[in-house]
Amino acid sequence: KQEVTQIPAALSVPEGENLVLNCSFTDSAIYNLQWFRQDPGKGLTSLLLIQSSQREQTSGRLNASLDKSSGRSTLYIAASQPGDSATYLCAVFTGNQFYFGTGTSLTVIP
Amino acid sequence: SAVISQKPSRDICQRGTSLTIQCQVDSQVTMMFWYRQQPGQSLTLIATANQGSEATYESGFVIDKFPISRPNLTFSTLTVSNMSPEDSSIYLCSVVAPGHSISTDTQYFGPGTRLTVL
Repeated sequence: KQEVTQIPAALSVPEGENLVLNCSFTDSAIYNLQWFRQDPGKGLTSLLLIQSSQREQTSGRLNASLDKSSGRSTLYIAASQPGDSATYLCAVFTGNQFYFGTGTSLTVIP
Repeated sequence: SAVISQKPSRDICQRGTSLTIQCQVDSQVTMMFWYRQQPGQSLTLIATANQGSEATYESGFVIDKFPISRPNLTFSTLTVSNMSPEDSSIYLCSVVAPGHSISTDTQYFGPGTRLTVL
């Protein structure tokens, strides 16, 4: 069964720093990987989707990479802002189901 | 993309009662899921809501406790039956908006229903 883990579980950084969130998965038979953001008590907002054939995707200050063969993805956030404070989750899509990571809780300190 | 609404956004219920959560999508979608997220935890898939047939439940979830309806391709309901405090969670509806290929199929979420059972 697919297992998805995220490291670190929590991260606190000062405003302006660049940071990297990690996601790993055990089965490389995926169609895509999505990164989501979740604010407390809210639903999930899709940030980026990387297709299995792609190596990276960029959206504004966010850059996500994918190494399918090694089962790893990273989310790079440049010049972090207090508004980036949230929980970030990754999910892999196997064609009929999504498997979610445990999330990284990010706090950006002004 | 897909825009999803859920009702109610939150509720406080008494033990032993039932609550039905509605999920409405602004476009027709094939794949629709119901998740539960307990405090401080990641998402747990409850079931896949199948249009016109019985939902497909994950291990640990049963139809008697979480009956699901999916009368058409834009609407679904999840009922949490005979509630106990352990059912206090955020319940999330999600759909897959098909892309030009399966590798671009994208999952979107509703805003969630925050349930507290006393």
